Amino acid sequence: GIQVEQSPPDLILQEGANSTLRCNFSDSVNNLQWFHQNPWGQLINLFYIPSGTKQNGRLSATTVATERYSLLYISSSQTTDSGVYFCAVGVDSGNTPLVFGKGTRLSVIA
Amino acid sequence: DTEVTQTPKHLVMGMTNKKSLKCEQHMGHRAMYWYKQKAKKPPELMFVYSYEKLSINESVPSRFSPECPNSSLLNLHLHALQPEDSALYLCASSYSSGNTGELFFGEGSRLTVL
Repeated sequence: GIQVEQSPPDLILQEGANSTLRCNFSDSVNNLQWFHQNPWGQLINLFYIPSGTKQNGRLSATTVATERYSLLYISSSQTTDSGVYFCAVGVDSGNTPLVFGKGTRLSVIA
Repeated sequence: DTEVTQTPKHLVMGMTNKKSLKCEQHMGHRAMYWYKQKAKKPPELMFVYSYEKLSINESVPSRFSPECPNSSLLNLHLHALQPEDSALYLCASSYSSGNTGELFFGEGSRLTVL
């Protein structure tokens, strides 16, 4: 099955800093989502981005499907950005459930 | 605000108890999911319902019994659980069960089995 690798596994930032999280995948995908899991456990949709670039406030994401990676950019980080960021992908075969990466654990310190 | 609602938020049960987790969505989605998540791990898929029919069961032990009474509701019945079943249980929904749809999660039910 498809492999999904996220890097870095852990990241500590000073408040106000910028960061880039990466998601590599081993096969063609037709679905890619970024989620933020807050410290209370809720998984929040950030982006549905099988290809292209999207921006939402301080966050933006880019997926280069032909090169099999996606990037999540966080600018001017805030303590509320802390948590785990998951990338999940769906493959072209259609009915296979999304495959999650292991996540990047982000801590933003004041 | 999440549009997928899960109850209860927290549940403590003994190994002989019977309890249920509930999930509700009103987005008109036709696919609903149960995931299990252990600490510091990604969510693991348990069940998928598509148009109220069970379409995927990821070899989950029979002490977990899903039920989809209608297109908006999803239950997970729990019976004779083990302490290792303690985890965060997440419900999700999407427009269809094909992987091209966006997945939306509820806030989760944190289960502790004593």
